[in-house]
Amino acid sequence: TQLLEQSPQFLSIQEGENLTVYCNSSSVFSSLQWYRQEPGEGPVLLVTVVTGGEVKKLKRLTFQFGDARKDSSLHITAAQPGDTGLYLCAGAPGANNLFFGTGTRLTVIP
Amino acid sequence: ETGVTQSPTHLIKTRGQQVTLRCSSQSGHNTVSWYQQALGQGPQFIFQYYREEENGRGNFPPRFSGLQFPNYSSELNVNALELDDSALYLCASSLGQGFTSPLHFGNGTRLTVT
Repeated sequence: TQLLEQSPQFLSIQEGENLTVYCNSSSVFSSLQWYRQEPGEGPVLLVTVVTGGEVKKLKRLTFQFGDARKDSSLHITAAQPGDTGLYLCAGAPGANNLFFGTGTRLTVIP
Repeated sequence: ETGVTQSPTHLIKTRGQQVTLRCSSQSGHNTVSWYQQALGQGPQFIFQYYREEENGRGNFPPRFSGLQFPNYSSELNVNALELDDSALYLCASSLGQGFTSPLHFGNGTRLTVT
């Protein structure tokens, strides 16, 4: 059973375009994290959201946690080739587990 | 500050063999979590060690076992390797048990089982 579904699975866009990646679940999470993973490397944490409805901004990236704490979105404005990578959401239903989503593979074409 | 290091980076084993993967945690961290990432998928939680004790386990069979040492480094052992065990094995260190503090991942060990 996959707790966290991400969409789209693959996304290829031109430099300068905007995009949104979604992370959905039927479960409630005490917190949700977003990571970016590049080939040959481990995931790197981008942000953690803990409050329903919370919005966090990291330069051109905007993260939102759903009001019911079951879903999240990542919006990138004016994408750049350096944004290319695998974006993973991860939810903690409690203290002792962290489930990762299926991932969205983003390619930004110069 | 030394980051998380994993060894070896790549490994090829035959079905039925045993393998040991190693992880050195980031300085100051006392918790290590292990994940399996199959090609094209998100990481799957194997188990977590906090102060040398297992502190949570995912849906993996007992042939996946681990250890954490007094210096907080860790090993992942897999017995009776199967073809489906081929994956990237990721180690992440953090401070404190559970997942309330950020995970810092190593670059993984790529295991191929033939």
